[in-house]
Amino acid sequence: DQQVKQNSPSLSVQEGRISILNCDYTNSMFDYFLWYKKYPAEGPTFLISISSIKDKNEDGRFTVFLNKSAKHLSLHIVPSQPGDSAVYFCAAIRNYGGSQGNLIFGKGTKLSVKP
Amino acid sequence: EAGVVQSPRYKIIEKKQPVAFWCNPISGHNTLYWYLQNLGQGPELLIRYENEEAVDDSQLPKDRFSAERLKGVDSTLKIQPAELGDSAVYLCASSSGAPYSNEQFFGPGTRLTVL
Repeated sequence: DQQVKQNSPSLSVQEGRISILNCDYTNSMFDYFLWYKKYPAEGPTFLISISSIKDKNEDGRFTVFLNKSAKHLSLHIVPSQPGDSAVYFCAAIRNYGGSQGNLIFGKGTKLSVKP
Repeated sequence: EAGVVQSPRYKIIEKKQPVAFWCNPISGHNTLYWYLQNLGQGPELLIRYENEEAVDDSQLPKDRFSAERLKGVDSTLKIQPAELGDSAVYLCASSSGAPYSNEQFFGPGTRLTVL
């Protein structure tokens, strides 16, 4: 049973517009969420994260929103740039009293930003 | 600061042959992970080390996979014998292991092709 779901395998956006990538999870015990970006032939690169005690975290053009009641998070990229074209993975983790749990990844969404 | 180093980057072998992957984590990172990534999927944890101790190897197919992290620094993942279904990207990641430090840093991965 998949605990972290990214239901859109791909997304195409025009340069300058907003990209919204979505992620749903089933385990209410997850307390930290991360987004990773992956280019072909490279490993995933950490992008942005959010703790379950917050509903928003912003870093430059990237903002992550968390809706705990809906078990849903989204990554907003504004404005989108061609260099943002990559596969984006949503990941969740459950910590145990300060001891780190294991990352659970979604299947990823391939973002294409067209000039 | 150097990132996570993995070698080789690519490996092609015939089925039933052995293969080994090497990983050197970020300096000072006590926690090391090996992940398996199949095409179109997110990374899935194989084994996690805290220093030289394997603290979670529940997803490691122990009949053919083995791993070691002698001296708590670099690590080797081995498959013997390899099967066609083992073709995938093998990712190594590391983290500081500090409480509530959830970010993991990934290497570029080793792409294994089993013929």
